[in-house]
Amino acid sequence: GAVVSQHPSWVICKSGTSVKIECRSLDFQATTMFWYRQFPKQSLMLMATSNEGSKATYEQGVEKDKFLINHASLTLSTLTVTSAHPEDSSFYICSALQPTGSNQPQHFGDGTRLSIL
Amino acid sequence: GQNIDQPTEMTATEGAIVQINCTYQTSGFNGLFWYQQHAGEAPTFLSYNVLDGLEEKGRFSSFLSRSKGYSYLLLKELQMKDSASYLCAVRLLGGFKTIFGAGTRLFVKA
Repeated sequence: GAVVSQHPSWVICKSGTSVKIECRSLDFQATTMFWYRQFPKQSLMLMATSNEGSKATYEQGVEKDKFLINHASLTLSTLTVTSAHPEDSSFYICSALQPTGSNQPQHFGDGTRLSIL
Repeated sequence: GQNIDQPTEMTATEGAIVQINCTYQTSGFNGLFWYQQHAGEAPTFLSYNVLDGLEEKGRFSSFLSRSKGYSYLLLKELQMKDSASYLCAVRLLGGFKTIFGAGTRLFVKA
């Protein structure tokens, strides 16, 4: 089945550091990828839709300059949390769509647990 | 606005059947998905409904009524490993944007 790889799995860093998270579709080309954030015992909150070759579409309330998204190829999207602070600590999950129809489910990466000290 | 409602928690016994309900009010509808998510892990796809009716896949079935904005996930022959959160998600029209409910945490007891 379709596989999405997300790296790193865990990040612990100091406040003020910028952190880059990678999301790769391993066996298919993904023109669309999604970035979600999830707090404990809560559901997935869509942060932005990443489109290959164009600017990402951010959800209301998500700071574009804070969460930089780059989708430079059909198999890779990156999320950079710039100047991270403790309130940015969360579980970040990416997902990718196989471009074969609207009935296709999203394939999720394993997530990145970000802890800012 | 977009709204998806599901119960917060449910408890059921191993070997039993459990039904997890989901109601939605969204600006457009292009399919409903159910995902399973174990604690600390990413969601995994369970089922998809776009037309009214029941879709069966092994121990899992999902039902959709578009006129009522209602779906349910039915889990049969419950196993301990089924203890997880179950997420109801609606894909909106005009693209692939999908919004998720808060999830139902299912506890399966012996």
